[in-house]
Amino acid sequence: KQEVTQIPAALSVPEGENLVLNCSFTDSAIYNLQWFRQDPGKGLTSLLLIQSSQREQTSGRLNASLDKSSGRSTLYIAASQPGDSATYLCAVPSTGANSKLTFGKGITLSVRP
Amino acid sequence: GAGVSQTPSNKVTEKGKYVELRCDPISGHTALYWYRQSLGQGPEFLIYFQGTGAADDSGLPNDRFFAVRPEGSVSTLKIQRTERGDSAVYLCASSPQRNSPLHFGNGTRLTVT
Repeated sequence: KQEVTQIPAALSVPEGENLVLNCSFTDSAIYNLQWFRQDPGKGLTSLLLIQSSQREQTSGRLNASLDKSSGRSTLYIAASQPGDSATYLCAVPSTGANSKLTFGKGITLSVRP
Repeated sequence: GAGVSQTPSNKVTEKGKYVELRCDPISGHTALYWYRQSLGQGPEFLIYFQGTGAADDSGLPNDRFFAVRPEGSVSTLKIQRTERGDSAVYLCASSPQRNSPLHFGNGTRLTVT
């Protein structure tokens, strides 16, 4: 059974810092990995989707990397801003079924002005 | 264009009652998913539709839960004989095809008293 872990559960940084959010998964036979952002009381917004054949994806100040062999992904946020404050979740398709995602519990990020 | 719409946004019901939660996916998206999210947790998969049929309902916790998508667009999640443990945010997501980013609605917060 696929398990996804995100540590730490919460992170607080001053504005302007570059930061890395970690995600680990137990089964490396994945089709893709997605990073999502969730604001309080809202649904999830897909930030980046990395296919299993890719090593990384970039969108603006965000860069996500994927290392299948070690079961790890990182989300790099450059020059953090208070508007980046949210919960960040990673998710992978469950083993044998790329139709349903297994999510981590998320990392709640607070960027202080 | 319009995103995924979920109604109602909040639902309070008494233990033992029946509830229906509605999801309007993005037009043209053939894949539709229901997830459930408890406080401090990542979303947990409930059921996945491809078109009108339930391709994977392995996440439904018991036979009190049922979902339909009769015309391949709007979906309704139905919960019979609600229990306090059913209280959570129920999220709907859609995508144009498998292995594509998911687009989530803002969810329905269900409270069973």
